[in-house]
Amino acid sequence: AQTVTQSQPEMSVQEAETVTLSCTYDTSESDYYLFWYKQPPSRQMILVIRQEAYKQQNATENRFSVNFQKAAKSFSLKISDSQLGDAAMYFCAYVAIKDDKIIFGKGTRLHILP
Amino acid sequence: DTGVSQNPRHKITKRGQNVTFRCDPISEHNRLYWYRQTLGQGPEFLTYFQNEAQLEKSRLLSDRFSAERPKGSFSTLEIQRTEQGDSAMYLCASSPGPVRDTEAFFGQGTRLTVV
Repeated sequence: AQTVTQSQPEMSVQEAETVTLSCTYDTSESDYYLFWYKQPPSRQMILVIRQEAYKQQNATENRFSVNFQKAAKSFSLKISDSQLGDAAMYFCAYVAIKDDKIIFGKGTRLHILP
Repeated sequence: DTGVSQNPRHKITKRGQNVTFRCDPISEHNRLYWYRQTLGQGPEFLTYFQNEAQLEKSRLLSDRFSAERPKGSFSTLEIQRTEQGDSAMYLCASSPGPVRDTEAFFGQGTRLTVV
C-alpha cells in the first residue's frame, strides 16, 4: 500500500525567508504523481504544485518549488520569500497512475512570523 | 460558478441519529470525491463517482455510510446510526477528469460532531 509521511507537524518561518517542508512516500509503482496542497484556516484546500514522477525536472510555481528525489522517494516543498498568506496546513499527496484517488500525508502546519 | 459547495457547513447530532450531507460540484466536472479528515490527520479517501457511477469505495466506508450521485451532478453522503467516531470534517472535491491529470477542487467541508 502506498503511504505518504510528513515528519514535521509544525514549522515556523520569518516573513520573507525561505522554508522547506519535507515529505517521503512509499510505493512499489514506477509511475505516479505527487502534489502539495495548501489548506488555509477555515478555507478550502487548494493545489500548490504538481510533479509527474517520470519527469526529472523539478516543478516550479512562482515562489513554490519542489525537490523531487525519486530514488530516495522524497518530495520536499520550498517556499521562497514567505508571506503571511502562506500560513496554512500543507499536505503532501500521491496519486498512482492507475488510480483516481489522492493519498494524503498528515500535514505540516506552517506559521509565518511577521 | 462559485466552486464546490457543501451543505451544511456544521452539523451536531446525537449518537444513533442519521445525517445527510450534500455536495454540489463545479458544473461539468464528471468526477466527484468524498474524503474524511479527522483532527491532526490528512484527508482519507472514502469514495468517488464518475458521473452517476460510484467507481470505488474505501474499506473505511462501513455499511452505515452510503453515497449517491443520482443525476451525475450533486452528491449526498448519508451516515446512519452515527457513532462518536464519525465526528470529523467531510470534504467533497470535484475534477473534470482523473485527479492525476487534472486539478481537484475542494469544498470547505461539513464538520460533523456526534454527541
